[in-house]
Amino acid sequence: DIQMTQSPSSLSASVGDTVTITCRASQSISSYLNWYQQKPGKAPKLLIYAAFSLQSGVPSRFSGSGSGTDFSLTITSLQPEDFATYYCQQSYSTPWTFGQGTRVEIK
Amino acid sequence: EVQLVESGGDLVQPGGSLRLSCAASGFTFSSHWMHWVRQAPGKGLVWVSRINSDGSSIAYADSVKGRFIISRDNAKNTLYLQMNSLRAEDTAVYYCARRTTGAAPYYFDYWGQGTLVTVSS
Repeated sequence: DIQMTQSPSSLSASVGDTVTITCRASQSISSYLNWYQQKPGKAPKLLIYAAFSLQSGVPSRFSGSGSGTDFSLTITSLQPEDFATYYCQQSYSTPWTFGQGTRVEIK
Repeated sequence: EVQLVESGGDLVQPGGSLRLSCAASGFTFSSHWMHWVRQAPGKGLVWVSRINSDGSSIAYADSVKGRFIISRDNAKNTLYLQMNSLRAEDTAVYYCARRTTGAAPYYFDYWGQGTLVTVSS
C-alpha cells in the first residue's frame, strides 16, 4: 500500500496568513493526488484534484503543486471559513490512501 | 443536484451485522464507480471498499476483507455495504463517495453526509 504522510499535523495561523501543507507519498504517484477539506461533523469536500486542478466553486486562494512523491497545498490570505482539517489522498493505486490530516486552527 | 444519502448506521454488539445503504440521485448512478470511506471518532479518513459501475470488480481494505461485502443495485440507484463480524474498531462514520468518470486521475467529487456505526456491548 502507498503511505501518505502529511506535515504538519496541526498548525495555528491568523486570518490573512499564507499556510502550506505538505504531503509525501511512499512511492511515486505521478499527479494522482487530491486534497479535501473537512469541517467538524461534515463530509469531506474536494478542493484540488490531480495535484493542482482547482475544483469548480473552490476559491482561488487554494492552490496545489507537486508531482511524483512530494506535494503541497497552499492557502493564501487565510479566511475564517478555512479553519478546518485538510487531507491529501492518492488515487494512483488501490487501496486509495489518505494522509493523516492537518488541522488548521485559529491563532 | 447530485445527492448521496447514507442510512443504516446503528449501535450493534461485537460479532453482529449491519447493512448500510447509500441512495444516489441527480446523476447516472450506473456510470460511476462508488466507494465507502470511514472515519473513526476523532481520527482520519480511511478507505474501505470500492465497486465498479456494473458490480463486476470489487476491492476491499485488508482490515475488512472477508467480513464486509460491497454491492450495488443500479436499478434502485443504491450502493450497499454489508458488514459482518463487526468489531469495536469498526466504530466509525461511514461515507459513500462517488468517483469521477472518464480518464484518470480520478477523485471523489461527491460525498454523502455519513452514517454512524457503533460497535459496543
